[in-house]
Amino acid sequence: AQKITQTQPGMFVQEKEAVTLDCTYDTSDPSYGLFWYKQPSSGEMIFLIYQGSYDQQNATEGRYSLNFQKARKSANLVISASQLGDSAMYFCAMRGFSSNTGKLIFGQGTTLQVKP
Amino acid sequence: DAEITQSPRHKITETGRQVTLACHQTWNHNNMFWYRQDLGHGLRLIHYSYGVQDTNKGEVSDGYSVSRSNTEDLPLTLESAASSQTSVYFCASSVSRSTDTQYFGPGTRLTVL
Repeated sequence: AQKITQTQPGMFVQEKEAVTLDCTYDTSDPSYGLFWYKQPSSGEMIFLIYQGSYDQQNATEGRYSLNFQKARKSANLVISASQLGDSAMYFCAMRGFSSNTGKLIFGQGTTLQVKP
Repeated sequence: DAEITQSPRHKITETGRQVTLACHQTWNHNNMFWYRQDLGHGLRLIHYSYGVQDTNKGEVSDGYSVSRSNTEDLPLTLESAASSQTSVYFCASSVSRSTDTQYFGPGTRLTVL
């Protein structure tokens, strides 16, 4: 079975500082992808970043980077230079490729609040 | 611009009524998904489709059905709405089943009284 665990229900960060949101996963699938989504208070789900299990380098997208540690089964999201607009809920998700179903498994989310 | 839309955005209904939530995407994606979001559970998959006439059950499919008569639409039907189905519903689509990102619609907030 596949499982995503986000152990931080809520986080605070000072504006302009970096913050790390934790995500650990469990899967028996040898090939998989990891995703992070942002959900602001308006409710939409916004795709942030993707990491494939066989990617040699950690993914980066602007101020977002994914700290992928395969042996530890962790895929933490790092947001650099936090902005007030980063206040939102963040979801880690995973998809196993061997079953080829396309289904995403989500964690329960972490609420991030950026303080001015 | 290509997009994925959901309607209605908000819906209040009564227990026992049939309700249909619409999802429409203009990306020409083969794969479409329905999730529900509840506090303490994150997002859970209800049904999904890999193409026209294809539908599959997700982890929380009881009480829901979908049909795929064209590429663009995947309506979600609650056959007989129950209070336990009060939730926020998200539709998503992707090009392929494997590496491609799923893009989400804006969500529908459904309240069953």
